[in-house]
Amino acid sequence: DTAVSQTPKYLVTQMGNDKSIKCEQNLGHDTMYWYKQDSKKFLKIMFSYNNKELIINETVPNRFSPKSPDKAHLNLHINSLELGDSAVYFCASSQGYGTSGNTDTQYFGPGTRLTVL
Amino acid sequence: QKEVEQNSGPLSVPEGAIASLNCTYSDRVSQSFFWYRQYSGKSPELIMSIYSNGDKEDGRFTAQLNKASQYVSLLIRDSQPSDSATYLCAVARTGGYQKVTFGTGTKLQVIP
Repeated sequence: DTAVSQTPKYLVTQMGNDKSIKCEQNLGHDTMYWYKQDSKKFLKIMFSYNNKELIINETVPNRFSPKSPDKAHLNLHINSLELGDSAVYFCASSQGYGTSGNTDTQYFGPGTRLTVL
Repeated sequence: QKEVEQNSGPLSVPEGAIASLNCTYSDRVSQSFFWYRQYSGKSPELIMSIYSNGDKEDGRFTAQLNKASQYVSLLIRDSQPSDSATYLCAVARTGGYQKVTFGTGTKLQVIP
């Protein structure tokens, strides 16, 4: 059983288009994340949700809009795609967000490789 | 200064040797430290977490933490070709809505 799944795995699109990436976790976790990994392998947090509530919103263009319909799902919609949006986008989940004192382990999905032409 | 710094490598070691991966961080209030392994084209997977100064061993892996020097390292004993991957160091503060900050990773090559 896949713990954290993402669709699609690959996404190739033209500049200016709007696209969505979906993420689902079956671990029963309360917290989900979106990360962007660029061509230099730098993995950077974009958003985090806890029980459908946005808790981390890094400096990300307004063209990126996350949505969590329930705590098992976190989707990412991107408007007006730009060349610089090309990257691998990883979804991740964790049991909590560290209120126990130690940061909870994050489990990553397989990634979505987005290529903007 | 980057929040989490790692030498990008590649670090090449012969099979059976000890691989030593290093990481420094800038945020003095960081309390949680992680090492993730990422194979090419795959997602990161956690291999070690460490929260207290000193060493933590798990099989062939040993994480070392020195908060005074803001330094964390990962030792891989008896390196195997299957250990060839990029190793990402990650740090986080404790409490509240935590953000995990990743380094850019060190690429390890184990030569058979």
